[in-house]
Amino acid sequence: DGGITQSPKYLFRKEGQNVTLSCEQNLNHDAMYWYRQDPGQGLRLIYYSQIVNDFQKGDIAEGYSVSREKKESFPLTVTSAQKNPTAFYLCASSISAAGSYNEQFFGPGTRLTVL
Amino acid sequence: RKEVEQDPGPFNVPEGATVAFNCTYSNSASQSFFWYRQDCRKEPKLLMSVYSSGNEDGRFTAQLNRASQYISLLIRDSKLSDSATYLCVVCCSGGGADGLTFGKGTHLIIQP
Repeated sequence: DGGITQSPKYLFRKEGQNVTLSCEQNLNHDAMYWYRQDPGQGLRLIYYSQIVNDFQKGDIAEGYSVSREKKESFPLTVTSAQKNPTAFYLCASSISAAGSYNEQFFGPGTRLTVL
Repeated sequence: RKEVEQDPGPFNVPEGATVAFNCTYSNSASQSFFWYRQDCRKEPKLLMSVYSSGNEDGRFTAQLNRASQYISLLIRDSKLSDSATYLCVVCCSGGGADGLTFGKGTHLIIQP
């Protein structure tokens, strides 16, 4: 089955700890994205990557970091510098970031709660 | 600043009725348009892309009006399973490398 997986589904962490969220895709997509969604809000772009070993900041990158060492994987680290980390985090991928192939497909998400 | 605006609803509609909602966008250079469906506490799922000529998929029809900068979604013969939040999504100007801009969604409730 082709798709995007995120783990874990629910994650609880103490304030001040860094935490890494996993995102894997076997769709052979070049582009991958991280969003966060807060209650009653639209999705906001954190980081995106158009190709392996390259990534760009989105609208709300402060307090987050990413890496793209493999095409299939785009992990997101929520650092202690992120002021309000509790949110629903969604990973997505698309064939490419440009042109008409930018339909994005989402993983099931990770709900992060910082206590 | 790019913006996508939607009426948050909720729209309460009886089963079998036709319902339509619009979404406006501010960036006239936007190139691609989509409707996503999101169920409670789940990820968004692509419902349909919106083409300049309009497109239809079963009970769903999407249209784009570039002059007035809005897209619309029409659902005919609504089912209970259509209850969800519908996200209007607009992409990209001049290259498409900055991801999608999501509206906050329109909440639709189909009532028996």
